[in-house]
Amino acid sequence: QKEVEQNSGPLSVPEGAIASLNCTYSDRGSQSFFWYRQYSGKSPELIMFIYSNGDKEDGRFTAQLNKASQYVSLLIRDSQPSDSATYLCAVKGSSASKIIFGSGTRLSIRP
Amino acid sequence: KAGVTQTPRYLIKTRGQQVTLSCSPISGHRSVSWYQQTPGQGLQFLFEYFSETQRNKGNFPGRFSGRQFSNSRSEMNVSTLELGDSALYLCASSLDRETSGVLTFGAGSRLTVL
Repeated sequence: QKEVEQNSGPLSVPEGAIASLNCTYSDRGSQSFFWYRQYSGKSPELIMFIYSNGDKEDGRFTAQLNKASQYVSLLIRDSQPSDSATYLCAVKGSSASKIIFGSGTRLSIRP
Repeated sequence: KAGVTQTPRYLIKTRGQQVTLSCSPISGHRSVSWYQQTPGQGLQFLFEYFSETQRNKGNFPGRFSGRQFSNSRSEMNVSTLELGDSALYLCASSLDRETSGVLTFGAGSRLTVL
């Protein structure tokens, strides 16, 4: 079992709709969760992060944590064509500070 | 404020050779992590350095090594290159270990092994 798993997609969402991205993690003691966005040919950039104590909203983006089921989700409201990218989920484990990334979900926003 | 700088950006090597990649973190950032990115495997963690010490290591063979200098700059070395080492090598820096998940990535060094 991979430590962080994501559906590779592509996930196609119409412009203006809500895009929902999920990832599951195996380390039940994980404390911090991160979402990165990577445009084609570019490096990943941090969108937002949450700790194990709660969800977070930042503009059109909301990150949610379900500790019982060990998954993290990223919701993108009012999706724009510029949101088309690969979204990488990353988790900081409990025993060490290394950050483990999922393989990413490719999101496509269709006009 | 300058970002994370990686050199060289592109390089081509042949099997059996070795390569050294360099990374200069954002000024004031003390933690540097290295990742290998390939289409099939995604972002794979190589190692993390803080205060000139390797703090974490991923599941890569001993041919992959690294170091960090007193000014936080870091290098990674791959010896006896194999075809499968062809990848984008990304360096990322963070302020310290507590914020080690808040990573700023460099543009990467794309290595092609022939």
